[in-house]
Amino acid sequence: SQQGEEDPQALSIQEGENATMNCSYKTSINNLQWYRQNSGRGLVHLILIRSNEREKHSGRLRVTLDTSKKSSSLLITASRAADTASYFCATDARTSYDKVIFGPGTSLSVIP
Amino acid sequence: NAGVTQTPKFQVLKTGQSMTLQCAQDMNHEYMSWYRQDPGMGLRLIHYSVGAGITDQGEVPNGYNVSRSTTEDFPLRLLSAAPSQTSVYFCASSMGTNEETQYFGPGTRLLVL
Repeated sequence: SQQGEEDPQALSIQEGENATMNCSYKTSINNLQWYRQNSGRGLVHLILIRSNEREKHSGRLRVTLDTSKKSSSLLITASRAADTASYFCATDARTSYDKVIFGPGTSLSVIP
Repeated sequence: NAGVTQTPKFQVLKTGQSMTLQCAQDMNHEYMSWYRQDPGMGLRLIHYSVGAGITDQGEVPNGYNVSRSTTEDFPLRLLSAAPSQTSVYFCASSMGTNEETQYFGPGTRLLVL
């Protein structure tokens, strides 16, 4: 089973609104990352939050991490049409493996 | 720096054929990995490498082989292609282990008939 699962699967909002995506995971982690994928492209790293951090900001992005609930959220404020993409969370399973596991993603559509 | 490059961009194979997907990075990254992306499934880890000469299996390794003879290159081999291997394949690299940002290649679209 997958380590990370995003919610919702798809999200459609108007330009200027905020978009919130959630990620839940199953096992203890060292860190959690969020990536963006534009249609037909490779993934681009957005932000990394470590297990001892609770909140992190980068421009219009705000990421929170709640290790007690094994969940993270990605907030995009004042969304733009260019934010239309799929967003993935990725976690490392705190095992002997150096694996990074991705969730199925949230497809965000920002309507101009 | 070119970053992470993948070739080919698109490939059509017949069932049973073999091929190698190439991946190269010029950032001197130790950690490299291969993922496949299927609709609604996110990215699934096929194989990964923590350095030259060291490889290990990910979530879905069956039907794929890898080797890491140099730091720069991490080819993925399909020995006998099957329709179930129709997917988009991404190679990624990072400086160190899983605590580092991964840099992704543009992907290879593979269609197995």
